[in-house]
Amino acid sequence: EADIYQTPRYLVIGTGKKITLECSQTMGHDKMYWYQQDPGMELHLIHYSYGVNSTEKGDLSSESTVSRIRTEHFPLTLESARPSHTSQYLCASSAFKGKGTEAFFGQGTRLTVV
Amino acid sequence: DQQVKQNSPSLSVQEGRISILNCDYTNSMFDYFLWYKKYPAEGPTFLISISSIKDKNEDGRFTVFLNKSAKHLSLHIVPSQPGDSAVYFCAASANNAGNMLTFGGGTRLMVKP
Repeated sequence: EADIYQTPRYLVIGTGKKITLECSQTMGHDKMYWYQQDPGMELHLIHYSYGVNSTEKGDLSSESTVSRIRTEHFPLTLESARPSHTSQYLCASSAFKGKGTEAFFGQGTRLTVV
Repeated sequence: DQQVKQNSPSLSVQEGRISILNCDYTNSMFDYFLWYKKYPAEGPTFLISISSIKDKNEDGRFTVFLNKSAKHLSLHIVPSQPGDSAVYFCAASANNAGNMLTFGGGTRLMVKP
């Protein structure tokens, strides 16, 4: 069973508010990721990190920002939420495993901006 | 440009029969392939993987086949069970790209009792 946790599970918030989505893992994984998924659509990588103090933007442009001050923690922040940010946000972590990488996902945060 | 494609958005199968989910990729540098299963309002869970040095990997009812020349992989579930109903995502990674996972669009599998 994967030990990666996201909070909150569901969030409904007004336009213009600042929000932080939390993600923590207890597996000691160096790599962490944030994916965004709209209903019925593919998962899009929006941020990733190779380790502490490392953050990179993913394939999909996002107005969110991330930080990686501790190995186990990879929060995502939206400074000013908009309805276009309504989506499911999935955090994942991975460790190099032989020739490949298996990523473990949290349960996701479903964000609705009204 | 979508590097991993699942061309069937949905698949319906009778309980007990075989489910075959397909995935195509375009990046020849991909060397590791994974299948994830996702229930609504939950994160994807890892199901099975295959390295590019193999053409088949089996785990219980789940078997993944890889055809490198066709850049195609498939997931076979036999026998299918109603609890297998979920969205299945194919993913691929390349060792020279930091092993970042690229996902397909997913296929919704419905197994009817």
